[in-house]
Amino acid sequence: GDSVTQMEGPVTLSEEAFLTINCTYTATGYPSLFWYVQYPGEGLQLLLKATKADDKGSNKGFEATYRKETTSFHLEKGSVQVSDSAVYFCALSHFGNEKLTFGTGTRLTIIP
Amino acid sequence: DAGITQSPRHKVTETGTPVTLRCHQTENHRYMYWYRQDPGHGLRLIHYSYGVKDTDKGEVSDGYSVSRSKTEDFLLTLESATSSQTSVYFCAISDPTKQGAGQPQHFGDGTRLSIL
Repeated sequence: GDSVTQMEGPVTLSEEAFLTINCTYTATGYPSLFWYVQYPGEGLQLLLKATKADDKGSNKGFEATYRKETTSFHLEKGSVQVSDSAVYFCALSHFGNEKLTFGTGTRLTIIP
Repeated sequence: DAGITQSPRHKVTETGTPVTLRCHQTENHRYMYWYRQDPGHGLRLIHYSYGVKDTDKGEVSDGYSVSRSKTEDFLLTLESATSSQTSVYFCAISDPTKQGAGQPQHFGDGTRLSIL
């Protein structure tokens, strides 16, 4: 079955540092890939997505590129802010099957 | 923000009691989902619905039942709650009738359930 493996946390960075959160997946075919973010006390929000190989999703300064050859979808941001502190989830789904498979989440804390 | 309301937001109850959580949406989306979130597990799908009275099991469905009598409401019931069901429960909706792959799910703010 499908699975998503993401970087173990927690991750603590200083403000303006470069961020990478690794995500790899195991799935048949060509799934769609997502990054969701969860702020304290809230539900998950879609951060970005990519639906085919070599697509780059981007939003709020975050980027991730769908790499079919390495089955990866790593999340990056060039300069993090305190407001980026949250839990980040990598996930996948297949077209026509709407269920999401999630990674375990990575807690990110940004220190001023 | 997608119009999704979960109720209650917090609940404390005792082992063996029945518990029902409600998810209400105003988006007229066809699909609705219930997940539980636990440390070290991410989100795991409990049950989902693909239309009124059409439901199916997810990966952690044991001990849970669901009902969907109208498009806007999806109920999750714990018939006899156990301490292992202490968790944060999230409802989500999606609209796969829109064209193209990668239709996202939209999440409610969650229900924190503690079973003593």
